[in-house]
Amino acid sequence: GENVEQHPSTLSVQEGDSAVIKCTYSDSASNYFPWYKQELGKGPQLIIDIRSNVGEKKDQRIAVTLNKTAKHFSLHITETQPEDSAVYFCAASWGGKLQFGAGTQVVVTP
Amino acid sequence: GAVVSQHPSRVICKSGTSVKIECRSLDFQATTMFWYRQFPKQSLMLMATSNEGSKATYEQGVEKDKFLINHASLTLSTLTVTSAHPEDSSFYICSAPAGVNEQFFGPGTRLTVL
Repeated sequence: GENVEQHPSTLSVQEGDSAVIKCTYSDSASNYFPWYKQELGKGPQLIIDIRSNVGEKKDQRIAVTLNKTAKHFSLHITETQPEDSAVYFCAASWGGKLQFGAGTQVVVTP
Repeated sequence: GAVVSQHPSRVICKSGTSVKIECRSLDFQATTMFWYRQFPKQSLMLMATSNEGSKATYEQGVEKDKFLINHASLTLSTLTVTSAHPEDSSFYICSAPAGVNEQFFGPGTRLTVL
């Protein structure tokens, strides 16, 4: 089955700085890579995703890059704001199922 | 994005009782829904796939007789935790696929078994 590793586990950044979270996956058949933001006590919220036929995707302050050869993908958040503080999960999809990374606690300090 | 609801948001029950959690897709139909469990400060672990009109498929290590899943309609799936014990206390979250690959999650149900 698929295995997804995510780093770092915690990330502290100053407001306005950038945050980068990296994930690797093991199954080359995976073709869809979403990123979720989860606030305390709530369900995960899809914030951006990328498919295997695309190398990069951007949505305002958030961007995701995918390197299929190396089997890794990354989330980039620019101009971080306090409301970006949350746990972020990467995931890889194979056969319709999602395999999640361990999560990254992002803390943005004013 | 598509909206998925869950009910209840929180439930406290006594050990040995059963608890039912509902998952609804509000503005789209879902022939498949997924149930996850999440322990504090951990990731989401897929428990089972709920299939409308057929039996659910369970992930390895998940007791199907303990976690009963019924996909009653194209917008409703239920998870029943039978004979709950304190170790079943967790955050249970459902999701439903909408579009080509996207999965949208419900707000979760916090189960506490005393």
